[in-house]
Amino acid sequence: ELKVEQNPLFLSMQEGKNYTIYCNYSTTSDRLYWYRQDPGKSLESLFVLLSNGAVKQEGRLMASLDTKARLSTLHITAAVHDLSATYFCAPISSGSARQLTFGSGTQLTVLP
Amino acid sequence: DVKVTQSSRYLVKRTGEKVFLECVQDMDHENMFWYRQDPGLGLRLIYFSYDVKMKEKGDIPEGYSVSREKKERFSLILESASTNQTSMYLCASSFPHGGDYTGELFFGEGSRLTVL
Repeated sequence: ELKVEQNPLFLSMQEGKNYTIYCNYSTTSDRLYWYRQDPGKSLESLFVLLSNGAVKQEGRLMASLDTKARLSTLHITAAVHDLSATYFCAPISSGSARQLTFGSGTQLTVLP
Repeated sequence: DVKVTQSSRYLVKRTGEKVFLECVQDMDHENMFWYRQDPGLGLRLIYFSYDVKMKEKGDIPEGYSVSREKKERFSLILESASTNQTSMYLCASSFPHGGDYTGELFFGEGSRLTVL
């Protein structure tokens, strides 16, 4: 069974600072998504990472995947208030019934 | 843009009542999913469907059933609601990805159910 651990679960950071959210998962996975959820809103897909060493960037967010270490990171550069949200990673499980398994989420608050 | 619409944003029901949560998507996606979201637990898959009238159990199907009579519509049914089913329910849809049922998921805005 695939288990996903995100850390930190809560993150307060000041505007302009950099930080990284970590997503560790327990078994082999060859595809991983990052989602964003604003309060009271639905989840929105940010990135899909498809191979070892994959890196995707959009704006102040950069995601990477290391399948050998079973680790994905979401790096935030020069945070702004608009990035305040909950971020979820979701690797796909292996085996016959391949489904996304979601982490618990990281609630990010960017303070002015 | 993909639109996944859930019929009720907020519901309050009593223990033992039957509850229907409806979900409609407008992008002709083959696959539809029901998740439950609880604080600290992330999203957990209840059921999914990869075709009309087809359904598969997810990780936590107990106490739930589903119905997919049309491609665009996927319903979650709680036959006899209990207080431990108080939660946020999220519907999602996707095209397949390669040989997988699950591609990029597009989510509805959620239905917050309170069972008293």
